[in-house]
Amino acid sequence: SQTIHQWPATLVQPVGSPLSLECTVEGTSNPNLYWYRQAAGRGLQLLFYSVGIGQISSEVPQNLSASRPQDRQFILSSKKLLLSDSGFYLCAWQRISYEQYFGPGTRLTVT
Amino acid sequence: GQNIDQPTEMTATEGAIVQINCTYQTSGFNGLFWYQQHAGEAPTFLSYNVLDGLEEKGRFSSFLSRSKGYSYLLLKELQMKDSASYLCAAYNNAGNMLTFGGGTRLMVKP
Repeated sequence: SQTIHQWPATLVQPVGSPLSLECTVEGTSNPNLYWYRQAAGRGLQLLFYSVGIGQISSEVPQNLSASRPQDRQFILSSKKLLLSDSGFYLCAWQRISYEQYFGPGTRLTVT
Repeated sequence: GQNIDQPTEMTATEGAIVQINCTYQTSGFNGLFWYQQHAGEAPTFLSYNVLDGLEEKGRFSSFLSRSKGYSYLLLKELQMKDSASYLCAAYNNAGNMLTFGGGTRLMVKP
């Protein structure tokens, strides 16, 4: 069966500091991978998606970036965090039948 | 562009039936998804409709009308644990992506 991992679970970072969130998937190969952000009480905003190693599509221009160095690894980064980057970050993988399954998420607070 | 609309909040009574509506306008539409999200947790997949009609899964059913750009999620025999947000999402085949609505927060009262 497939499993998706995210870490860390919780993060508190000062404004201007760097960020690196990691997501890994087990039990499947060459999945489509997605990064979403959810502000408190809001829906999910798609940030990046990847259909393969080194292939990244950005949906929202901002100070975040994503990379996919390995088939089942997806990384979200920032060089300098802003207060507005606070939120719940979710990684998801997509089955061939289109449904997406989410990791447990990382709750980021920028202070 | 992509536009998904669903009510912000709903309240229902334990044991009752509730219908959560969702309307969408998306290009390259290829299916409508429903997710459940409890507070502080990640969304979990509930259902997927690609053809018109009703899909039933236990206490939960989901309906789709592609011509009307409309879907609903029907929850029967409500339980307190059904208190959660319900997210409607439309799949865009051209972009390999889901566009989510803002979610409907359902509160089930005794």
